[in-house]
Amino acid sequence: DAKTTQPNSMESNEEEPVHLPCNHSTISGTDYIHWYRQLPSQGPEYVIHGLTSNVNNRMASLAIAEDRKSSTLILHRATLRDAAVYYCILRSTAGGTSYGKLTFGQGTILTVHP
Amino acid sequence: GAGVSQSPSNKVTEKGKDVELRCDPISGHTALYWYRQSLGQGLEFLIYFQGNSAPDKSGLPSDRFSAERTGGSVSTLTIQRTQQEDSAVYLCASTGRASNTGELFFGEGSRLTVL
Repeated sequence: DAKTTQPNSMESNEEEPVHLPCNHSTISGTDYIHWYRQLPSQGPEYVIHGLTSNVNNRMASLAIAEDRKSSTLILHRATLRDAAVYYCILRSTAGGTSYGKLTFGQGTILTVHP
Repeated sequence: GAGVSQSPSNKVTEKGKDVELRCDPISGHTALYWYRQSLGQGLEFLIYFQGNSAPDKSGLPSDRFSAERTGGSVSTLTIQRTQQEDSAVYLCASTGRASNTGELFFGEGSRLTVL
């Protein structure tokens, strides 16, 4: 799996936007960009994914650089509940449809201050 | 059930004992994954099932670890002769989407403590 690089930690204030960066300079054309987050004492939960175009859902937005070598997860208004470890993961689709594993890195620890 | 269910939620055992951890995936999900997470660390892939077969078991750390899945549903992860370094949270995930864009649904995990 291609490697991703994220800052170890970030801080934000409640109700402010948060931009979580991820570098993936060795991404291939068949790699999807996935984001998961893990709240304390819970299993990871899916946040969002994309390939080339920016994506929005009820949880967050994903901005993908034109060269796809980096992406940014955007939380529009951080809440205390958003304090978690955020993982940026590349998921290969090379070879056609297959389930394949997700390889998790260390992620970014997001702290949200009231 | 509504989500991935794992049991037990907590298990304390003595070094050298065998343990079994159970995962009940979301109904209809054909792919099932086991990960483990040591304290303060990221997730480490162990094994993945497609139906009852395991195309990728590359993450199992030693031959003390084994897993099976029956009926394309419930999976059991077995650790024989447990060691203190086996202490971790063992997470199970499932997905029913054939595409690699499909999201994984994780359980709450089984916390294993080996004394």
